[in-house]
Amino acid sequence: KAGVTQTPRYLIKTRGQQVTLSCSPISGHRSVSWYQQTPGQGLQFLFEYFSETQRNKGNFPGRFSGRQFSNSRSEMNVSTLELGDSALYLCASSLASGGQETQYFGPGTRLLVL
Amino acid sequence: AQTVTQSQPEMSVQEAETVTLSCTYDTSESDYYLFWYKQPPSRQMILVIRQEAYKQQNATENRFSVNFQKAAKSFSLKISDSQLGDAAMYFCAYRSTDRGGADGLTFGKGTHLIIQP
Repeated sequence: KAGVTQTPRYLIKTRGQQVTLSCSPISGHRSVSWYQQTPGQGLQFLFEYFSETQRNKGNFPGRFSGRQFSNSRSEMNVSTLELGDSALYLCASSLASGGQETQYFGPGTRLLVL
Repeated sequence: AQTVTQSQPEMSVQEAETVTLSCTYDTSESDYYLFWYKQPPSRQMILVIRQEAYKQQNATENRFSVNFQKAAKSFSLKISDSQLGDAAMYFCAYRSTDRGGADGLTFGKGTHLIIQP
């Protein structure tokens, strides 16, 4: 089975622009979560989608948004980019939603904001 | 809010020896799951092992095993017969079952494991 895929793998943007990142979960997985990884803050939960619905969102401003499609693929969008948004964005999928579900991660998208 | 603490920013071990990575967590919940993930230089997060809090038996996956002490809120990872390929950042993570686990994984800051040949 193919793993979680994320596109693009690398991205360079300038302040004020917006960006959309894509995540395709493992086949059969219906839950997708997003995490931000930075040297300063470490790994932080952004949000989780299940059945096209956002279940929860971490402590991030409204500039961070996402959605999930009927085929479980997910996108996250960051508008009005700031320098501090430079990070590795990781997507993780699981069969279903719930604390007992193990999340499997993709390779990440490295975003650099100049 | 739950917190996960990894007190060892970096550990070094000789190839073929055993190393233990520490993790403690703070929670008031009784039902939760704990994980160790490995992140090699490629940055791909790889699941190493998982532990259900309601199980007293420590999880084991080949050379990897945990020492889960629920009362002490401790969850250490033991790597036996260390191999060069084990070199990576290791993250301890917690996930609550409250609200259906909607809060995602809470990660520690990580331990950088170096394997000396």
